[in-house]
Amino acid sequence: AQRVTQPEKLLSVFKGAPVELKCNYSYSGSPELFWYVQYSRQRLQLLLRHISRESIKGFTADLNKGETSFHLKKPFAQEEDSAMYYCALSSLVISSGSARQLTFGSGTQLTVLP
Amino acid sequence: DTGVSQNPRHKITKRGQNVTFRCDPISEHNRLYWYRQTLGQGPEFLTYFQNEAQLEKSRLLSDRFSAERPKGSFSTLEIQRTEQGDSAMYLCASSSGLKPQHFGDGTRLSIL
Repeated sequence: AQRVTQPEKLLSVFKGAPVELKCNYSYSGSPELFWYVQYSRQRLQLLLRHISRESIKGFTADLNKGETSFHLKKPFAQEEDSAMYYCALSSLVISSGSARQLTFGSGTQLTVLP
Repeated sequence: DTGVSQNPRHKITKRGQNVTFRCDPISEHNRLYWYRQTLGQGPEFLTYFQNEAQLEKSRLLSDRFSAERPKGSFSTLEIQRTEQGDSAMYLCASSSGLKPQHFGDGTRLSIL
């Protein structure tokens, strides 16, 4: 069974401080990891995925297979980063019939204080 | 392209009634997913379509739930004989190939 754990429901940091949102996963196959973000009154949207190795809005995340983690980091938080963040996992299987549905964590509500 | 569209945005109904939700995916996406999200939780997978074929269903999808995607474009999710526990946000997402899923705004269902 696949599982995603986000241990912090709430996280507050001051503007300009570093922020790290934790995500741990369990999965028996080859996983693909994602971070989705939901700003107030907006739809869920993709922030980044591990295979892209991109930095979006200053956020980065590295897949650590040894620790089965995919923590989200930003060196200097901004007030506009305040949102709900979800870590998610899917299979990396490429076969055409594979659902590749997402398994989500329960989310971390990030508040960046002025 | 307006993204994934879901209707209605909100649905309030009495227990025991039937409800139907609609999802219009991004036009070139052949994969369509339904998820359910309850308060304080992340979205949970319900079912998946590739074109018009429903290829996977979660055990969360009881017999009262049925989903269709008749022409491989829009999809409907119907809940029969609604129960209090069905109150949730119902999310639709679409994708193609290995591209990431794009989500709609969801339909919030409230059972009185």
